[in-house]
Amino acid sequence: AQKITQTQPGMFVQEKEAVTLDCTYDTSDQSYGLFWYKQPSSGEMIFLIYQGSYDEQNATEGRYSLNFQKARKSANLVISASQLGDSAMYFCAIYSSGGGADGLTFGKGTHLIIQP
Amino acid sequence: NAGVTQTPKFQVLKTGQSMTLQCAQDMNHNSMYWYRQDPGMGLRLIYYSASEGTTDKGEVPNGYNVSRLNKREFSLRLESAAPSQTSVYFCASSEISDPEAFFGQGTRLTVV
Repeated sequence: AQKITQTQPGMFVQEKEAVTLDCTYDTSDQSYGLFWYKQPSSGEMIFLIYQGSYDEQNATEGRYSLNFQKARKSANLVISASQLGDSAMYFCAIYSSGGGADGLTFGKGTHLIIQP
Repeated sequence: NAGVTQTPKFQVLKTGQSMTLQCAQDMNHNSMYWYRQDPGMGLRLIYYSASEGTTDKGEVPNGYNVSRLNKREFSLRLESAAPSQTSVYFCASSEISDPEAFFGQGTRLTVV
């Protein structure tokens, strides 16, 4: 079974600062994928970034980057130059179809609030 | 580009009533999923369907049934609703060749 741990229930950050959201994972599979999703107050789930377990370079998508440290089983999300619109819930998730149910396993999320 | 469409968006049920949540995707994805989201929790997998004609239990399947009607549609049924099933329900679809899961807008269900 897979497990995602997000240890920061909430974070307050000043606008324009960089933000790091922590995520650690546990899986016995060799092949897996790590995801970050954003959920604004309107409720929809917005895909941000993906990292495959065999990808050697950290994934980047615009202001988002994923700091992937395989040996430590961590997949932290870094948001550069935060904006007020970044205020939302952020969920880390893992996908692995080996040895169990298909689908994503999510962490409990981090509520990020960007202050002006 | 509709993506994943869920109906209804809101629903209030009385304990013991039944209902079906509908989900349709237009991306020709093989895999479809139903998740529930409770306050302070991430999303938890209820059921999934890896392809048309197959369904499997996820982490929290008790009290639910599903039907993969065709490649586009995947419905979730509550036969006898309970207050513990008050939640936001998300449908999602994906393809093995593309790791991103696409989510519907969610259904906010309240059981009183």
